[in-house]
Amino acid sequence: DTGVSQDPRHKITKRGQNVTFRCDPISEHNRLYWYRQTLGQGPEFLTYFQNEAQLEKSRLLSDRFSAERPKGSFSTLEIQRTEQGDSAMYLCASSLVVGSTYEQYFGPGTRLTVT
Amino acid sequence: LAKTTQPISMDSYEGQEVNITCSHNNIATNDYITWYQQFPSQGPRFIIQGYKTKVTNEVASLFIPADRKSSTLSLPRVSLSDTAVYYCLVGDMSGFQKLVFGTGTRLLVSP
Repeated sequence: DTGVSQDPRHKITKRGQNVTFRCDPISEHNRLYWYRQTLGQGPEFLTYFQNEAQLEKSRLLSDRFSAERPKGSFSTLEIQRTEQGDSAMYLCASSLVVGSTYEQYFGPGTRLTVT
Repeated sequence: LAKTTQPISMDSYEGQEVNITCSHNNIATNDYITWYQQFPSQGPRFIIQGYKTKVTNEVASLFIPADRKSSTLSLPRVSLSDTAVYYCLVGDMSGFQKLVFGTGTRLLVSP
């Protein structure tokens, strides 16, 4: 399978704990994105990387959130001191911009539940 | 980024053609229209993208009138597996760096 993969698929944690999610993009894609999706809503943009550079961060990404893509390949999203409001599906996507078609390929997501 | 408006939900039966219309009155000259599909517990999946007139691929067709203030995603002969949420997005190439999803249209296909 050469699609975007995410690990873990599910995470249950207690409020105040730190969690880290991993995303492995499609290998030749140089752009990687993180989104968050809550029940009944569409995904919301959090941040994106071009290679290892983090080019944009949403205001949704509080100081408790940090994302890295150290070698321009996989990425990690860490949430410190989790809160119940952080419970959501965290989606990773990757892309390679070619011509006039712009398509992002999404992974299956990591569902976080904060108790 | 242009705001989009879609129906919240639609119902259909297997074998029927489904047309989902998206309104984007403030679309800009450089904006493209893109549709994504999302199944429960999965990430969204790109369906189709277009700028004007008609675009067709193996999955769907996209109809865009001359004024480009709306667009219609057409799914021919739907099956139960087409039950999903469909999102319409509008943006130029820089806007598509961060996709802006609305609440989408929940399509339910029944036997």
